[in-house]
Amino acid sequence: DTGVSQDPRHKITKRGQNVTFRCDPISEHNRLYWYRQTLGQGPEFLTYFQNEAQLEKSRLLSDRFSAERPKGSFSTLEIQRTEQGDSAMYLCASSWTGSGTEAFFGQGTRLTVV
Amino acid sequence: QKEVEQNSGPLSVPEGAIASLNCTYSDRGSQSFFWYRQYSGKSPELIMSIYSNGDKEDGRFTAQLNKASQYVSLLIRDSQPSDSATYLCAVNYRNYGGSQGNLIFGKGTKLSVKP
Repeated sequence: DTGVSQDPRHKITKRGQNVTFRCDPISEHNRLYWYRQTLGQGPEFLTYFQNEAQLEKSRLLSDRFSAERPKGSFSTLEIQRTEQGDSAMYLCASSWTGSGTEAFFGQGTRLTVV
Repeated sequence: QKEVEQNSGPLSVPEGAIASLNCTYSDRGSQSFFWYRQYSGKSPELIMSIYSNGDKEDGRFTAQLNKASQYVSLLIRDSQPSDSATYLCAVNYRNYGGSQGNLIFGKGTKLSVKP
């Protein structure tokens, strides 16, 4: 098991462009979370999946953000029409809903919108 | 609104001292509690989990949970400069149906251990 994997690690994009990030969770984990983190703040919840079902989405998340987990394995997070305020670290974590619900993070994708 | 509150610090302790980090949460139905360590520019790393009232020890780390007071703490004994990081408290809330809900983080406490 190689842990949670995120791709790319860094992304620089121009304002108005669309970007997509990928997360591969730990293989036996059925739950997958997306968070956004800016400097000096804790991880801010965006959305989470249990298997392929998206169970909750933050009210702070605008319609420009969408996430999928089509087969209950990897997930993608897309941001459309990026804005400078979207610049942040995007973190993915996965866990198992059985006993010991510990969530483990990937290394994150750092997005810079110029 | 489900919230997790932490003192942002910075908390500064001398090397070898005990560092005490605190966290409160808003929802009494919460079942699972976690402490993560995050070094600057890195992603959070899980260091402790606790599910029942009382203390849980793992090496130099002790997590304490008091569900009646909705309070979680982390003690770091014999603090080392390498412990200097931001410590994040996270709470796994329960949905109204009792199933496992969202994982919410506090903003973190920055710890500095001075040699």
